[in-house]
Amino acid sequence: GQNIDQPTEMTATEGAIVQINCTYQTSGFNGLFWYQQHAGEAPTFLSYNVLDGLEEKGRFSSFLSRSKGYSYLLLKELQMKDSASYLCAVRDPSSASKIIFGSGTRLSIRP
Amino acid sequence: DSGVTQTPKHLITATGQRVTLRCSPRSGDLSVYWYQQSLDQGLQFLIQYYNGEERAKGNILERFSAQQFPDLHSELNLSSLELGDSALYFCASSVGSAGRDEKLFFGSGTQLSVL
Repeated sequence: GQNIDQPTEMTATEGAIVQINCTYQTSGFNGLFWYQQHAGEAPTFLSYNVLDGLEEKGRFSSFLSRSKGYSYLLLKELQMKDSASYLCAVRDPSSASKIIFGSGTRLSIRP
Repeated sequence: DSGVTQTPKHLITATGQRVTLRCSPRSGDLSVYWYQQSLDQGLQFLIQYYNGEERAKGNILERFSAQQFPDLHSELNLSSLELGDSALYFCASSVGSAGRDEKLFFGSGTQLSVL
């Protein structure tokens, strides 16, 4: 099966930049997703990467290295509302219909 | 609002009981996914349906079952409930089944408390 690793918790300061890392098993890779989830709420889609490189979308960017099985989500100009969990997810190589999520990184923003 | 509707929002029941969670996907979406999220845990994949057929199964307990109806809404049935089944249950939908860049749209979840 797929094994996705992310740091459990991170803390950053308002206005700063933070990078959240994610590693996954490379065999059968079929794309990687990042979702944001505020406490008690539904996850919402942030980004999708299937090719190597950086995808920028406003204050959020996502990077992928397929050979290293590595991705990161970069959040710039942090705002208090960015306090949330960030979930990395990939399609299961044994069953593309199955999207497997990491345990998530809980990001706390301090003033 | 994602367009995915889940009912009820909250459910409180006792051990040994059976409950049914309901999900209506976004208009036009054919796939429905069910996930379980326990306190401080990640999203655990349970099962996926596409246009009425089961397409993928995760570590879903035998006490749990699901189906997708002709109108594409889905129900997740949880029986012989145990304390450990208390969790937030999310439904998500997508247009297709396994398209690479196909993103999931999540409902607001059903919070199940088993007492």
